[in-house]
Amino acid sequence: DGGITQSPKYLFRKEGQNVTLSCEQNLNHDAMYWYRQDPGQGLRLIYYSQIVNDFQKGDIAEGYSVSREKKESFPLTVTSAQKNPTAFYLCATSPRTAKSLPQHFGDGTRLSIL
Amino acid sequence: DQQVKQNSPSLSVQEGRISILNCDYTNSMFDYFLWYKKYPAEGPTFLISISSIKDKNEDGRFTVFLNKSAKHLSLHIVPSQPGDSAVYFCAVGSQGNLIFGKGTKLSVKP
Repeated sequence: DGGITQSPKYLFRKEGQNVTLSCEQNLNHDAMYWYRQDPGQGLRLIYYSQIVNDFQKGDIAEGYSVSREKKESFPLTVTSAQKNPTAFYLCATSPRTAKSLPQHFGDGTRLSIL
Repeated sequence: DQQVKQNSPSLSVQEGRISILNCDYTNSMFDYFLWYKKYPAEGPTFLISISSIKDKNEDGRFTVFLNKSAKHLSLHIVPSQPGDSAVYFCAVGSQGNLIFGKGTKLSVKP
């Protein structure tokens, strides 16, 4: 069954800890994205990757890091430098960063601070 | 400053009537426009899009209108159904990335 899998669905982090959110896709899409959603807010772009071994910062990259070693996988690490990490994190993919192609989203990971 | 604004945080509509969701943007360089629907604890689902060369795109009960001179985008849902109750995000695109509005929560009452 094709799609985007984000895991875990819920994640708790202690102060000062790094935590990694998983995003895996079997859609064979080139481009992958990470967004953050806060209550009453739209989606804000953290990082994106157009191709394996390449990624770019989005609007709110500070305190986050990513890697793109495989086409299928785009993990996001929330580091201790991110001062307000509690949010709903969404991973998305698109066939390529061509203009008219919509992005497809996973079901998200909710991160909370203990 | 917000580049994409959805000024109505919520909208309530009776089943069978029309729902109109609005979105304004600031940059005339944006050249494609999308609407997403989102249920709680799920990712957004793509609904419909329109490019800047058109002013209307229709898909079943959903129609998107684009007024480039006013930098205004709207989504019409006719007839509205209770299952349409969700948060609707407009998104505008430029060079492959999307900028999202804050969303409008639509409630369709039976």
